[in-house]
Amino acid sequence: GEDVEQSLFLSVREGDSSVINCTYTDSSSTYLYWYKQEPGAGLQLLTYIFSNMDMKQDQRLTVLLNKKDKHLSLRIADTQTGDSAIYFCAEIPPSGGSYIPTFGRGTSLIVHP
Amino acid sequence: DAMVIQNPRYQVTQFGKPVTLSCSQTLNHNVMYWYQQKSSQAPKLLFHYYDKDFNNEADTPDNFQSRRPNTSFCFLDIRSPGLGDAAMYLCATSSGTDHNQPQHFGDGTRLSIL
Repeated sequence: GEDVEQSLFLSVREGDSSVINCTYTDSSSTYLYWYKQEPGAGLQLLTYIFSNMDMKQDQRLTVLLNKKDKHLSLRIADTQTGDSAIYFCAEIPPSGGSYIPTFGRGTSLIVHP
Repeated sequence: DAMVIQNPRYQVTQFGKPVTLSCSQTLNHNVMYWYQQKSSQAPKLLFHYYDKDFNNEADTPDNFQSRRPNTSFCFLDIRSPGLGDAAMYLCATSSGTDHNQPQHFGDGTRLSIL
């Protein structure tokens, strides 16, 4: 079965780097996504990575993928208070032509001064 | 400009009184989804439409229904809301044909039950 796991909370100081981790179980997953959810809002796509990539960088965001360990991480450099939100990892397994993502429970990132 | 629009943002209804939540999209996407999200939990898929084809999740209660009259609009009907149905309801869309096309979410409707 498919399962995506994340730690529930992460607290960092403003200006430090944040690293949010995710593990997934479907080794055939081709696409993995990171979404951000601010209080009272929907999910906003931050970035995604294809399984044939090890790393993807987009401004302050760096995504690392370890396919062997089925581990995905999101690093936020120079974390700001505006980065405080819930971050969801999601995978879409390619089997059976599915386009339905499986979400983790989300990691609450708390940024304090 | 918002591409997936949910109305209203906040909805209060009485126990047992039917309520309808609406979602519209300007992306012309094939697929529209309804999720229920409770505090500190991942969004839970209720059902989705691929064009006019309706797909219900096995554990979605019969109390929840959906309509998609055209490509742009999709509605979530809760026939007899119970206290356990208080949650954030998220609408999302995707092209559905390419796995590299992620979901686009609306800002959600927060439903409260009195």
